[in-house]
Order: sequence, then C-alpha cells, then structure tokens
Amino acid sequence: EAQVTQNPRYLITVTGKKLTVTCSQNMNHEYMSWYRQDPGLGLRQIYYSMNVEVTDKGDVPEGYKVSRKEKRNFPLILESPSPNQTSLYFCASSLRGEGRQGGSLNTGELFFGEGSRLTVL
Amino acid sequence: AQSVTQPDIHITVSEGASLELRCNYSYGATPYLFWYVQSPGQGLQLLLKYFSGDTLVQGIKGFEAEFKRSQSSFNLRKPSVHWSDAAEYFCAVGADNTDKLIFGTGTRLQVFP
Repeated sequence: EAQVTQNPRYLITVTGKKLTVTCSQNMNHEYMSWYRQDPGLGLRQIYYSMNVEVTDKGDVPEGYKVSRKEKRNFPLILESPSPNQTSLYFCASSLRGEGRQGGSLNTGELFFGEGSRLTVL
Repeated sequence: AQSVTQPDIHITVSEGASLELRCNYSYGATPYLFWYVQSPGQGLQLLLKYFSGDTLVQGIKGFEAEFKRSQSSFNLRKPSVHWSDAAEYFCAVGADNTDKLIFGTGTRLQVFP
C-alpha cells in the first residue's frame, strides 16, 4: 500500500530536549516536505526537499532541521524544542512532473502522512 | 509573493444541498491551484488541481472547481453534498513552481442530515 508514515504520532516532551520525527514514503517520490498545522493558520511549510541531498527552507524553518540522505526518508529534527513548536506536523511527498514551460516541478499531488501531534512543555 | 484567502471559516449545509467554497489568490501571473480535503484525524488528500487548459476542473468525490482569472478565484463546488463530505477544505497556491505551496487557512464544512 502506498503510504507516508510518520513516527511518533503523539509526543509530549519538555523544552530543550532534542527530538526527531521520522517520515518515510514507499512511493519512490522525489519531493518531500514538512508542514505544521496550527488553528487559524492553516498549513505552513517548514522545509522541503526536491531530491536526495537537496533541501530548502519553507516559510517557517526557524528551530527545525532536516536531512535527506535517502530518497524514502525525510526526518524533521528539533534540536532544542520550545513551547511555540507545539503543533500538528505533517510530512508529505509527491512525484516531480512537467510544468507549463516544460521544466521539472513538483506535481502538487501531495500524499500526506497521518500527522504527528507534538506538545512541548 | 503569492497568497491565498479562504473567506469562510465555517460553512453548514444540509445533506443534498449544493456547495460552493470560496478561494481567492493574489499573484501576478497564472498560479498553480489546488484543493485538498482533511477528514478528522487524517492527513490531507488532493481533490483536484489546475495547471493549465480547461478552467473547469473535475476532481474526485464529485467535486469540481473553476479557475476565474478575472476574479482571482478558484472556488470549489459540489451539486449535492453527502454527510461524508463533512471535513476541512484547504485551497493551495503555487507560483512559478509548486515546491512552495501556500495553503489557505481552511474552511470547515458541517453537513446536517
């Protein structure tokens, strides 16, 4: 079954204790991305990766790190979590395809994981 | 920079009634446009997308959306809503590329029997 798997699904931690949220996809997708979802703010992009060893910042990257050593995995690292990082986190992946001008781009058909609810005390 | 607005935070309809969810964007050229749905406790699922061509786009679950350049809108419609359509709906916009999609704040749909 094609899926994006995130772990842990729920986590309560304390300020400053490093944590990693794992994300793995089995669809051979080039593109992967992390979002956080907060009430009234919708989804905001944290980081994305267009392929192995290629990552870039989204709109809210502060306090987060990512790596893309393998195509299937895209972990999100919080080196020193703070209460304002309490949120619902989603990992997503998609294929790359052809854009209007013929260049390569993310098809936008994002497949999402089920989310990881993180609470930082 | 592009932006997207979903003016309605919460909409309530009766089962069988028609539905239109509004989405307005701000971008100088033609953007890439998407609608996603999020059922309670789940991740998002793509309903439909507009890249180019026909401005009326058909999606899954009986949904459609129309890109209107003159109004900078990409409203989602369904002729007859089912109770299972109760969910949160997100419009998303990509500018020159789709690597950085901007999501709206969502519209929560409630369906009464």
